[in-house]
Amino acid sequence: NAGVTQTPKFQVLKTGQSMTLQCAQDMNHEYMSWYRQDPGMGLRLIHYSVGAGITDQGEVPNGYNVSRSTTEDFPLRLLSAAPSQTSVYFCASRLTARDRASTGELFFGEGSRLTVL
Amino acid sequence: RKEVEQDPGPFNVPEGATVAFNCTYSNSASQSFFWYRQDCRKEPKLLMSVYSSGNEDGRFTAQLNRASQYISLLIRDSKLSDSATYLCVVNPAWGGFKTIFGAGTRLFVKA
Repeated sequence: NAGVTQTPKFQVLKTGQSMTLQCAQDMNHEYMSWYRQDPGMGLRLIHYSVGAGITDQGEVPNGYNVSRSTTEDFPLRLLSAAPSQTSVYFCASRLTARDRASTGELFFGEGSRLTVL
Repeated sequence: RKEVEQDPGPFNVPEGATVAFNCTYSNSASQSFFWYRQDCRKEPKLLMSVYSSGNEDGRFTAQLNRASQYISLLIRDSKLSDSATYLCVVNPAWGGFKTIFGAGTRLFVKA
């Protein structure tokens, strides 16, 4: 199983450019989420989704858009990159409580390291 | 106040030492709790879930005190390979969606 796959692993952008971080999971998880991790700040939730067509904001949603057209994919879009968005981005997924197999464990991708100049 | 707070660390301990990490959470409705481990520049991975009755996995023991809204992780007989950042993680309600991470406590185990 591939688990959670994120692309790209590294990206350098100029201020004002746009890009999309891709996330795909093959575990049939309903719940998917995006976090950013900055030194000393821990992981902060950007957006999350509990199923296809359903998304909601986390702690730090400004500057980011998401969509969930399929169960497998949850892309994160930066419409106009800013230096403050320089960070490591993690996509994570898990089962929801409706699934009896759910333990609440989050499964992470390997991260995408973004630098905005 | 942060929703999940941890000891800032870092903790520097010799091999064989016992080390304890503490964590507090602010949402009394929180239902599920975890400790994750994160190695340098890697993704977090589940170390263990935390139950009200306390639970043990080899050298690792986790405790939960709902009345005090406090979670702990005890590592006995520390190994060099235990060096990592330990993240306290809270789900606001069972099946709740905004999983919240503490900032993490860095552990260095030295020979």
